[in-house]
Amino acid sequence: AQTVTQSQPEMSVQEAETVTLSCTYDTSESDYYLFWYKQPPSRQMILVIRQEAYKQQNATENRFSVNFQKAAKSFSLKISDSQLGDAAMYFCAYEIKGAELTFGKGTLLTVNP
Amino acid sequence: KAGVTQTPRYLIKTRGQQVTLSCSPISGHRSVSWYQQTPGQGLQFLFEYFSETQRNKGNFPGRFSGRQFSNSRSEMNVSTLELGDSALYLCASSLGDKNTIYFGEGSWLTVV
Repeated sequence: AQTVTQSQPEMSVQEAETVTLSCTYDTSESDYYLFWYKQPPSRQMILVIRQEAYKQQNATENRFSVNFQKAAKSFSLKISDSQLGDAAMYFCAYEIKGAELTFGKGTLLTVNP
Repeated sequence: KAGVTQTPRYLIKTRGQQVTLSCSPISGHRSVSWYQQTPGQGLQFLFEYFSETQRNKGNFPGRFSGRQFSNSRSEMNVSTLELGDSALYLCASSLGDKNTIYFGEGSWLTVV
């Protein structure tokens, strides 16, 4: 079965510091897309960053960046200069076919002032 | 541009009843997918429609069904509700395969 594993159920970070959330996945496919979504208390899923598996360059969106290691099937998210508004549940996911996302269990991020 | 809109946002149903949830995708998006989120099982894929055709289906019983209309709006139906169907149901839309998937705010279903 294809799976996504987020080994850190909870993480905390001080405001303005940097935090890295881990994600590993298991698939035999070579063409796929990886995502990090953020789910605040409102429960709406918000796209944070996306990575195409065929691209070696790591994706970056402002304070958010990923470390994509295809051979190791690892896709970690780094949040720099953490802000109080970053507090949320973060989900790692991949898409292989037909807009079908497979999600990890999530990491709850707390940002301390 | 308006986002993905789901209605109703909250509803309470009795065991054995049926429910229909509605989703309006982002304008121009032809793919609509549905997910169930529960504390125990996390986020699980239900099904995906593209141009009125169901392309993918997750591992859910036949009580869960859906459809998509010509304007890309989608509905999902759950018949013979069970207590375990209580969940947040999320709708998402995209332009199609390998495009960014955008989510709505979800419909909270409580079965009593």
